[in-house]
Amino acid sequence: RKEVEQDPGPFNVPEGATVAFNCTYSNSASQSFFWYRQDCRKEPKLLMSVYSSGNEDGRFTAQLNRASQYISLLIRDSKLSDSATYLCVVNTGFQKLVFGTGTRLLVSP
Amino acid sequence: NAGVTQTPKFRILKIGQSMTLQCTQDMNHNYMYWYRQDPGMGLKLIYYSVGAGITDKGEVPNGYNVSRSTTEDFPLRLELAAPSQTSVYFCASTPPQGQENTEAFFGQGTRLTVV
Repeated sequence: RKEVEQDPGPFNVPEGATVAFNCTYSNSASQSFFWYRQDCRKEPKLLMSVYSSGNEDGRFTAQLNRASQYISLLIRDSKLSDSATYLCVVNTGFQKLVFGTGTRLLVSP
Repeated sequence: NAGVTQTPKFRILKIGQSMTLQCTQDMNHNYMYWYRQDPGMGLKLIYYSVGAGITDKGEVPNGYNVSRSTTEDFPLRLELAAPSQTSVYFCASTPPQGQENTEAFFGQGTRLTVV
């Protein structure tokens, strides 16, 4: 089983739609969790950290479910500029950061 | 602060050649990483380092070597380049342990083609 698994997509949604991505991780001792965004041929950049109580940043909401070992990202009111690949990242311990394969999002007019 | 700087940005190698991908950071980060990203795929961890003098293997270390003689530098060495090593390589760094919810900073990547 992979340490971090994501549905690769692509998710094709119209502008204004709500879309959700899930990510599962295998190591129950994992310490911290993140969502990164990667634009084509660019380096990944932090979108948001994921806290145990869930957290929101504008149109983006992240949730963590430790019992089921998954994290989620919800994007509301999708914009064209949200088109990118979203990477789930897990700190499996001692700052070892493991990336999922990414979920590609395409937002169309 | 320049952040994380990788060189070169692009390189074409012939099979069997060797090269070193350079990575340096000026943020005094303890942790540094090397990832490779194949087309349409996620990032796979090659090697990482928790501080000067300490390195550890990631998921795909075969064919690569690293060293960490200083906090700032974390070069990645390919000794005998193979076509399977054609990829985009990213170097990253993070602050010391104890700040787990802080972000990883990435270099702009090195696009390597082995022919």
